[in-house]
Amino acid sequence: DQQVKQNSPSLSVQEGRISILNCDYTNSMFDYFLWYKKYPAEGPTFLISISSIKDKNEDGRFTVFLNKSAKHLSLHIVPSQPGDSAVYFCAARGKLQFGAGTQVVVTP
Amino acid sequence: DTGVSQNPRHKITKRGQNVTFRCDPISEHNRLYWYRQTLGQGPEFLTYFQNEAQLEKSRLLSDRFSAERPKGSFSTLEIQRTEQGDSAMYLCASSLGSGGTETQYFGPGTRLLVL
Repeated sequence: DQQVKQNSPSLSVQEGRISILNCDYTNSMFDYFLWYKKYPAEGPTFLISISSIKDKNEDGRFTVFLNKSAKHLSLHIVPSQPGDSAVYFCAARGKLQFGAGTQVVVTP
Repeated sequence: DTGVSQNPRHKITKRGQNVTFRCDPISEHNRLYWYRQTLGQGPEFLTYFQNEAQLEKSRLLSDRFSAERPKGSFSTLEIQRTEQGDSAMYLCASSLGSGGTETQYFGPGTRLLVL
């Protein structure tokens, strides 16, 4: 039972443009969400999080938006850089429930 | 480098053999998690410890799997009588806290291939 879903397995974006990654969840009891970034041959690294009491959290080039009524969150990366090319996972809290990931490729 | 280490990084074994993986968390972290990741999927929760106590196990953790954290520091995950379906990346993560919102720091994983 996949409670966290990332429906876009890949995303290609030009350097300098905005990357928008989407994530949907089904469990309304989730109250804390995280985005992780994963490079090949490494474990996921924490990127940014958001509590359900907020609808936006910003950290540098990364902003996460939460729409609780739609059970949807998104990660915006602007401007995108080649070093952002990685797989991005969204996760819901506790014993983390991960989406399947979105592979982002940033082209120069 | 997150400070969480896992050994070995790769393991190739024959079906039916037993394997054991080790995770060394960040030293002051009281929580330790094991996840499994297969190709094209996100990590799936297996089990977690708070200090030396194993508090939860996923139904994914069949009776062939056992995890320990005897002194509340490093942890081991053993798979007995491996099957080809056990082939996956096994990830360990650690965190400090008890509320569930603390950031988990992941190790690089152990990639298991069962032939």
